Amino acid sequence: GAGVSQSPSNKVTEKGKDVELRCDPISGHTALYWYRQSLGQGLEFLIYFQGNSAPDKSGLPSDRFSAERTGGSVSTLTIQRTQQEDSAVYLCASSLGPPANTGELFFGEGSRLTVL
Amino acid sequence: SQQGEEDPQALSIQEGENATMNCSYKTSINNLQWYRQNSGRGLVHLILIRSNEREKHSGRLRVTLDTSKKSSSLLITASRAADTASYFCATDAKSSASKIIFGSGTRLSIRP
Repeated sequence: GAGVSQSPSNKVTEKGKDVELRCDPISGHTALYWYRQSLGQGLEFLIYFQGNSAPDKSGLPSDRFSAERTGGSVSTLTIQRTQQEDSAVYLCASSLGPPANTGELFFGEGSRLTVL
Repeated sequence: SQQGEEDPQALSIQEGENATMNCSYKTSINNLQWYRQNSGRGLVHLILIRSNEREKHSGRLRVTLDTSKKSSSLLITASRAADTASYFCATDAKSSASKIIFGSGTRLSIRP
């Protein structure tokens, strides 16, 4: 597509429920990133994909968080048993290649998650 | 912990003045980038400077990089009301060139 697409744009859920957030990167971009941003804060790194593999999962806050990427394209971030502290905007970005070669990231508009 | 930290956290200046934001980071890097975020929106890439570069220009933007001090600055000249946004620096560490880490950002407000 023309840009990075994320869905849903807004999600309100009850504590304890599972949520799935989707990211559709720019066609041909091999690198994909997930970040989390709380209100008024910076971006917290969650996970990085190169193709379908995740060389760096170090940012996932707990085992309730998981992510996958299939076909070198669409990625899904899953949060199980959501907690109120999971409320944030989840941002996805893609890049043509690995950071050292092609650093520029293209961001989606984010998925705003609210856990009641 | 965050690789980059911006300074100041918030900056308010008069339209037409220059705005300077600083970024410090902790480890050796390949590249340093600056991004802009309008409230509630995704981030937009502004400029990338490589570790072997010292200064780069793009329109009203000027970025400097001092690898000996592990710091960078972003200068916006002749500011406009439309420059009001948050600005973030981002780095990819040489030791772990598999992720790009963002700083905490500077909130810039331009008074008309």
